[in-house]
Amino acid sequence: NAGVTQTPKFQVLKTGQSMTLQCAQDMNHEYMSWYRQDPGMGLRLIHYSVGAGITDQGEVPNGYNVSRSTTEDFPLRLLSAAPSQTSVYFCASTAGTLLATQYFGPGTRLLVL
Amino acid sequence: LAKTTQPISMDSYEGQEVNITCSHNNIATNDYITWYQQFPSQGPRFIIQGYKTKVTNEVASLFIPADRKSSTLSLPRVSLSDTAVYYCLVGERNDMRFGAGTRLTVKP
Repeated sequence: NAGVTQTPKFQVLKTGQSMTLQCAQDMNHEYMSWYRQDPGMGLRLIHYSVGAGITDQGEVPNGYNVSRSTTEDFPLRLLSAAPSQTSVYFCASTAGTLLATQYFGPGTRLLVL
Repeated sequence: LAKTTQPISMDSYEGQEVNITCSHNNIATNDYITWYQQFPSQGPRFIIQGYKTKVTNEVASLFIPADRKSSTLSLPRVSLSDTAVYYCLVGERNDMRFGAGTRLTVKP
């Protein structure tokens, strides 16, 4: 049971490039989410999904796209990277209950030049 | 959406009990209180969750007064490895808002 996995661990992009951050979980959790964390700050919710085929925006969705074709995977896409998107990105998953016990991945550190 | 307020930082020494208080004056009736711990370069890790009164697990205790406008995370006999950032969250899963958290530093 690997829990929540994220790839890559670290990525450098140039402004305007696109990329996809991968997230997978093997706990059969219905709910998955993406957060970004900037230095010295807490996590901010980007997008979340309550099940396959269903996604919704969080607190800071601009510049990011998501899709949820399977229960296991929840990729985050940056269509045209900007320096303001330099951050650490965390993916999380939780079972389909109201109690918010989330399991977080190890994070992806993204640098946009 | 309930906002939380925590101290920015706290210092303690090994073996001491640490209490971190979180204020959440606008907590809703259906909201739960959840605490997470985050080490550098890692994702947050769930510590404890509660609705009212007291909850205890193998790691910590959570004290919630009757009015639920605040909560206190209690870490017994901290060690150096408890140095981390601690986040208090109030709400349901799709309203999870992390504040800046409390940076706890445990000294020898």
